[in-house]
Amino acid sequence: EVQLVESGGGLVKPGGSLRLTCAASGLILSGNHMTWVRQVPGKGLEWISFSNGVTNKISYADSVKGRFTMSRDNAKNSAYLQMNSLRDEDTALYYCLGSGSASSWGQGTPVTVSS
Amino acid sequence: QAVVTQEPSVTVSPGGTVTLTCGSSTGAVTSGHYPYWFQQKPGQAPRTLIYDTNNKHSWTPARFSGSLLGGKAALTLSGAQPEDEADYYCFLFYGDDGVFGGGTKLTVL
Repeated sequence: EVQLVESGGGLVKPGGSLRLTCAASGLILSGNHMTWVRQVPGKGLEWISFSNGVTNKISYADSVKGRFTMSRDNAKNSAYLQMNSLRDEDTALYYCLGSGSASSWGQGTPVTVSS
Repeated sequence: QAVVTQEPSVTVSPGGTVTLTCGSSTGAVTSGHYPYWFQQKPGQAPRTLIYDTNNKHSWTPARFSGSLLGGKAALTLSGAQPEDEADYYCFLFYGDDGVFGGGTKLTVL
C-alpha cells in the first residue's frame, strides 16, 4: 500500500522560507511522477508543482514560480518542496500526491505565513 | 492557463444516479488529460476515486465510475449512499501542468 507522509510545515513570517518533505513508502519514487497540492481551509484544491519521473522535468503553477522549488531524493524515497519568499496567501495545508495507481494522499502539513 | 469547470453543486436522491462533469476551456477533455476524480469529506484529506479517466483504486466503491462523455470527463455515481455526500474535484493534466476544477458539492437528499 502506498503511503505518503508530509512534514515540515509550520509558522513563518512573510518573506521567510520552509522546506516540506514528502516521505513515500510502498512506492519507489524513482520513475514515478509526484505532485504537490495545497488547500486553503474551506477552499478548493490548488495544483502547485509536478515532477515528471520519466523526463525529470519539473513544472510549477504561476502563483509559486520563481519562489518554490520541487526536488526529490530517490535514495531517501522522498520529495521536497523548498518554499522561499513566502507570502500571506501561501497559508494552506500542503499535500503530496503520487500518480496513477500510486495516487494516494497524505494528511498534509500546514503552513501558516503571518507576521 | 486552462480553466477546468465543474458543477458547483448537485443533489441526488438516495439510491439515485448522478453524473458529475469536468470540462476544459481549451476544448474537449481526452484521455491525454489523464482525468482524476477526488473525493473530500469535511475535515478529511482528499482521496483518489478515479485516475486516468476510468481506473479505480482498491478503495473506490464499485458504484463510482469514470468516463469521457460529450467532450468532458465524467464521474457517475450509481446508487448514491448517504456517505457519498462530499466535495468532488476533478483534475486534468496539460502536459506537465495540472489544473483542478473548482469542485462539486454533492448532496444526497
